Amino acid sequence: DGGITQSPKYLFRKEGQNVTLSCEQNLNHDAMYWYRQDPGQGLRLIYYSQIVNDFQKGDIAEGYSVSREKKESFPLTVTSAQKNPTAFYLCASSTNSGEKLFFGSGTQLSVL
Amino acid sequence: GQQLNQSPQSMFIQEGEDVSMNCTSSSIFNTWLWYKQDPGEGPVLLIALYKAGELTSNGRLTAQFGITRKDSFLNISASIPSDVGIYFCAGDERAGSYQLTFGKGTKLSVIP
Repeated sequence: DGGITQSPKYLFRKEGQNVTLSCEQNLNHDAMYWYRQDPGQGLRLIYYSQIVNDFQKGDIAEGYSVSREKKESFPLTVTSAQKNPTAFYLCASSTNSGEKLFFGSGTQLSVL
Repeated sequence: GQQLNQSPQSMFIQEGEDVSMNCTSSSIFNTWLWYKQDPGEGPVLLIALYKAGELTSNGRLTAQFGITRKDSFLNISASIPSDVGIYFCAGDERAGSYQLTFGKGTKLSVIP
């Protein structure tokens, strides 16, 4: 079955550490996205990529980095510069219309 | 970025009752989307709306794209326990922008 796989489901970060969240899709979608969700809040866009080897900052890109070396993969690195990283991170993909987003099941990141 | 006002924030209803929630924005949207999120999971697309005045159903769910293009509502008829979750509206100000704006969600609880 086609879908989006995020891993790990739970991740813990020590202070000063970079961590990478994985996102893989087999929907043959061109565009991929990373969103951050805090309790009681809507989803906020971190980065998005319309095609391989290209990506753009969203509303809250500071302290995060991404790469898009393959169409299927869009990993997110939460760097030590992100001072409040505890949140639920959602990866999504879409066709090149950029409208209907299909989401993965999320990664909960917590700080030790 | 653009803000979407989604209401109510939360609802407690009896099983079998109908539910209505809505989203408003201060600017015109080209697309309105409604998602449902179960705890610890990613949002799942319920309904997508593309034209002002459009009324679309998906089983017991009905959504409408407001005539002014600045609002949308979602109705759920004859609620059942599995309707529990958080419902998000999302909109696209510019077609093909790849930057959906999300509301903060309506948390629905169904009392059996």
